[in-house]
Amino acid sequence: DVKVTQSSRYLVKRTGEKVFLECVQDMDHENMFWYRQDPGLGLRLIYFSYDVKMKEKGDIPEGYSVSREKKERFSLILESASTNQTSMYLCASSYGDSSYSNQPQHFGDGTRLSIL
Amino acid sequence: KQEVTQIPAALSVPEGENLVLNCSFTDSAIYNLQWFRQDPGKGLTSLLLIQSSQREQTSGRLNASLDKSSGRSTLYIAASQPGDSATYLCAVLSRPGGGADGLTFGKGTHLIIQP
Repeated sequence: DVKVTQSSRYLVKRTGEKVFLECVQDMDHENMFWYRQDPGLGLRLIYFSYDVKMKEKGDIPEGYSVSREKKERFSLILESASTNQTSMYLCASSYGDSSYSNQPQHFGDGTRLSIL
Repeated sequence: KQEVTQIPAALSVPEGENLVLNCSFTDSAIYNLQWFRQDPGKGLTSLLLIQSSQREQTSGRLNASLDKSSGRSTLYIAASQPGDSATYLCAVLSRPGGGADGLTFGKGTHLIIQP
């Protein structure tokens, strides 16, 4: 089974801090994604990556950056945390070859981040 | 921009009933459509994926259909059980060229199966 592991289930940080959320997958997937989930707004794509050192902005990239130094690891960085970044963050991965259209995205259990 | 709508937002039914969850999307240029299940405080579990060229997929008591031309999908759950209680999310993977390549999600249907 595919395993997507997010380093923390719960995290509490203070405004202005630099925050790192880590995600690791064990299936040699090319594609990795970061979403945030908020009540009434659903899941929204923040950033995604198709390969090592490659990144693309999603729908709501402002205030975030990402890093993909190794294929299995995709990090989300809050450069200067603010209270409106309090949310549930979900990481996902999928294959990126010619079978792209029939490969599901697999999700981690999420990190519930609170910014005080 | 792709938009995904799920109806109803919430549903409560007695155990044993068959039920249908609805999903609609505005742009028919999609790679695939996925149905997920989310338990409270947890991540998403993939239930079914329908490619754009397919009409339906089945897994156990679940059957998902896709009508790409009308922008609609349904998730049919047969003989519902209390363990089916969860939030069900529909998501589409749109073709590149229109922006991001991640999934576009609906806001979900919160399902409660009464014992």
